[in-house]
Amino acid sequence: DGGITQSPKYLFRKEGQNVTLSCEQNLNHDAMYWYRQDPGQGLRLIYYSQIVNDFQKGDIAEGYSVSREKKESFPLTVTSAQKNPTAFYLCASSVLPQGKRTDTQYFGPGTRLTVL
Amino acid sequence: DQQVKQNSPSLSVQEGRISILNCDYTNSMFDYFLWYKKYPAEGPTFLISISSIKDKNEDGRFTVFLNKSAKHLSLHIVPSQPGDSAVYFCAALSRKTSYDKVIFGPGTSLSVIP
Repeated sequence: DGGITQSPKYLFRKEGQNVTLSCEQNLNHDAMYWYRQDPGQGLRLIYYSQIVNDFQKGDIAEGYSVSREKKESFPLTVTSAQKNPTAFYLCASSVLPQGKRTDTQYFGPGTRLTVL
Repeated sequence: DQQVKQNSPSLSVQEGRISILNCDYTNSMFDYFLWYKKYPAEGPTFLISISSIKDKNEDGRFTVFLNKSAKHLSLHIVPSQPGDSAVYFCAALSRKTSYDKVIFGPGTSLSVIP
C-alpha cells in the first residue's frame, strides 16, 4: 500500500558530520516537503519541491541541502553548517503543488536526529 | 512573528466531554485552514479543513468553526475519547499566492482522561 517512508527513525551523529535523511513516497505525488519540529514550535518548512529537478528554500534552509532527482525521492542533508541540527524531521508530500489546488499533505513517520 | 498561534500548549478533558482547541491567525490573506493530529514519534495526519467561504465544517465527532472577523478558528471534538489524546496542529494557507505555503501553529497537546 502507498505511503511515505522515512529512514532511519532515530539517527545519531557527531558534531561536524554531514548526515542525509531519506524520504521516499509511492503515492505518485508531485510535491514533497521537509519540515523540522522543535518543542513548543510548529512545523517549520526547510525545503520544498514541486517537481523533479526543482526545489525551493523554505523558511529555515540554512545549513540544509536537498535533491529531487526522482519523483518518489527527496533526501535531506543536514550539513555541519546547521547550528542546531538536533530535532525531529518530517517529510511530506501532496498530490499537486499547492498553487494548483489545495491538497492536504501526507506526512512520513519522521526521523529524530540527535547530534552529539 | 508567528502567523498562526495556538495559545494553549496543553489541554486536559474528561472522556465523553467536549474538547475545544483554539487557533488564531494574523494574516488576512489566509483563506484555507487545516487541523492535523499527531501522535508521539509519528508524522501528523490530516483531520479536517475549512475554506474561508464557510464558517463551519463537520466530520463525525470533529467540527471546525471559523470566525473570519476575529481571525479565529476552533476545533471541537464531541464526545472526546482517550484515543484523541495527541498534539493538534492548526495550519493555514493562502490560495491567492502562486505557491500556497502552509503555516503551522505550535500545537496543542490534548489529554483525554478516562
